[in-house]
Amino acid sequence: EAQVTQNPRYLITVTGKKLTVTCSQNMNHEYMSWYRQDPGLGLRQIYYSMNVEVTDKGDVPEGYKVSRKEKRNFPLILESPSPNQTSLYFCASSGWGEQFFGPGTRLTVL
Amino acid sequence: DQQVKQNSPSLSVQEGRISILNCDYTNSMFDYFLWYKKYPAEGPTFLISISSIKDKNEDGRFTVFLNKSAKHLSLHIVPSQPGDSAVYFCAARVNAGNNRKLIWGLGTSLAVNP
Repeated sequence: EAQVTQNPRYLITVTGKKLTVTCSQNMNHEYMSWYRQDPGLGLRQIYYSMNVEVTDKGDVPEGYKVSRKEKRNFPLILESPSPNQTSLYFCASSGWGEQFFGPGTRLTVL
Repeated sequence: DQQVKQNSPSLSVQEGRISILNCDYTNSMFDYFLWYKKYPAEGPTFLISISSIKDKNEDGRFTVFLNKSAKHLSLHIVPSQPGDSAVYFCAARVNAGNNRKLIWGLGTSLAVNP
């Protein structure tokens, strides 16, 4: 089954404790992207990747890092999480058509 | 400034009737428009799309209409079913170099009543 998976689905952490949210797709897509969804602001792009070792900033990259060492994986790294990064995060991948989304990761930073 | 606007936060229709969800945009550079459906605790699921060079695309019960002069698109669901109850997002693609970024509306929550 074609899918995008994310882990963990839910995470509660404390300020400053480094964390990684994993994302994996099995569709051999070159393009992958991370979004965050916040009330009243909709989905906003954090980072994207056009292919292995090719990443670039989206609209709200501050406080985040990504890496793309393999085509299927695109982890989102928060080196020092802060409360304003409490949000719902979605990973997506696509070929040239529509983007496919993972189930989301709800992150709470205390 | 919202480049993609869904002005109705919610919509309620009777089962079997037509649901019409609307979306307005401001950027003439959008080349592709998509509708996604989202259930609670799940990621957005692609529903239907339309290229900026078309004015209509149909897929089963779902039809999307694009009016470029008015910068407006709409999603029609006929007939509506209770399982269609979800949040519907309009998204537009900016083909800016290598980034196939989607710009999203805030969503319309559709309730289809039996």
